[in-house]
Amino acid sequence: EAGVAQSPRYKIIEKRQSVAFWCNPISGHATLYWYQQILGQGPKLLIQFQNNGVVDDSQLPKDRFSAERLKGVDSTLKIQPAKLEDSAVYLCASSYDRRLGAHFGSGTRLTVV
Amino acid sequence: DAKTTQPPSMDCAEGRAANLPCNHSTISGNEYVYWYRQIHSQGPQYIIHGLKNNETNEMASLIITEDRKSSTLILPHATLRDTAVYYCIVLLGATNKLIFGTGTLLAVQP
Repeated sequence: EAGVAQSPRYKIIEKRQSVAFWCNPISGHATLYWYQQILGQGPKLLIQFQNNGVVDDSQLPKDRFSAERLKGVDSTLKIQPAKLEDSAVYLCASSYDRRLGAHFGSGTRLTVV
Repeated sequence: DAKTTQPPSMDCAEGRAANLPCNHSTISGNEYVYWYRQIHSQGPQYIIHGLKNNETNEMASLIITEDRKSSTLILPHATLRDTAVYYCIVLLGATNKLIFGTGTLLAVQP
């Protein structure tokens, strides 16, 4: 089966600019996660969707970050405006059943200068 | 959500068994123990999970103590490709929320 697809792979922007990341989960996976991973740290959960509804977004900085999952399939994560501390890898993952674990994409590496 | 504690790093000789410990003393009865690993520059990869019983699959074995307060991930014959950060996660049975800690960096030495 095809894995979780993410794009772009890399992105460099200036602070205060906007950026969007795209994720296409594995077909049939109802649960979708977005994580932020800063260099040297474990992934931090930003938001979790179940189909097109939000299950948890308690760690999402809502003044600048937004995410949506239209039609319960693809998802986008947006940052507006970006700050230097947003430099990180943004990982998308999807899951069909917790007994089968979650599948992760390769991530988008964001550098804010 | 139950917190997990792992050593920051471990070494293992190639071909030997790697035993990675995890403490989860506040785990509840319906919370699962999951293990993931992350090889440099890649996304995390699911390894194995369990609730009460020991589990084994093609990648590893998971030993959970009887009181469920700790567990050990066993890679029976470590290879250089097993060098990665290994994360132990406790997952509430009612949700699929995956909260990562800082993990253990396993370095397999030739």
